[in-house]
Amino acid sequence: DAGVIQSPRHEVTEMGQEVTLRCKPISGHDYLFWYRQTMMRGLELLIYFNNNVPIDDSGMPEDRFSAKMPNASFSTLKIQPSEPRDSAVYFCASSYGETQYFGPGTRLLVL
Amino acid sequence: KNQVEQSPQSLIILEGKNCTLQCNYTVSPFSNLRWYKQDTGRGPVSLTIMTFSENTKSNGRYTATLDADTKQSSLHITASQLSDSASYICVVSAMYGGSQGNLIFGKGTKLSVKP
Repeated sequence: DAGVIQSPRHEVTEMGQEVTLRCKPISGHDYLFWYRQTMMRGLELLIYFNNNVPIDDSGMPEDRFSAKMPNASFSTLKIQPSEPRDSAVYFCASSYGETQYFGPGTRLLVL
Repeated sequence: KNQVEQSPQSLIILEGKNCTLQCNYTVSPFSNLRWYKQDTGRGPVSLTIMTFSENTKSNGRYTATLDADTKQSSLHITASQLSDSASYICVVSAMYGGSQGNLIFGKGTKLSVKP
């Protein structure tokens, strides 16, 4: 298996623009997680899905953030409008059981 | 308040030496404790997961210990290699609402192994 796939790997955008991050989980995994990592705050769980259904989105910073999982093999995290403080590395992870497998991350820079 | 504290923040050791990283937590009720290794520019990779009843678990040269009474865990790295240079993150899962989402993350220990 190719592991968790994320795209793009790097994204530079201007404040106010819409940003869409994409994730393909490992086939057969029933949980999908979105994380954000910054130097100041470390890793933070934003939202997670079980069988394509959002279970807990309490980590989503505000209404500018939204996530969808239309099917078992695809999820998106959207930021609209983006702000400089959203600059971070965003990770997607999937699991079947306790062990989570992380993707390589998307490094987002909002100017 | 649920918290995970790791020490030291950073550590430099010579190749071949052993080292121990610490994790103290105040998470309750406790479900499990995980150690992750994160190489620079990569996603975290799981090293070990321990439940309440386990007090030690090994993964190659990595050995994690857990003392649920004192709420402390350690990660011991034996005979370090240059490839061990990474950040090591301690993550504690709280039991309420299922263990998948109630994860409390430490800030990590950045380990540098020098030749």
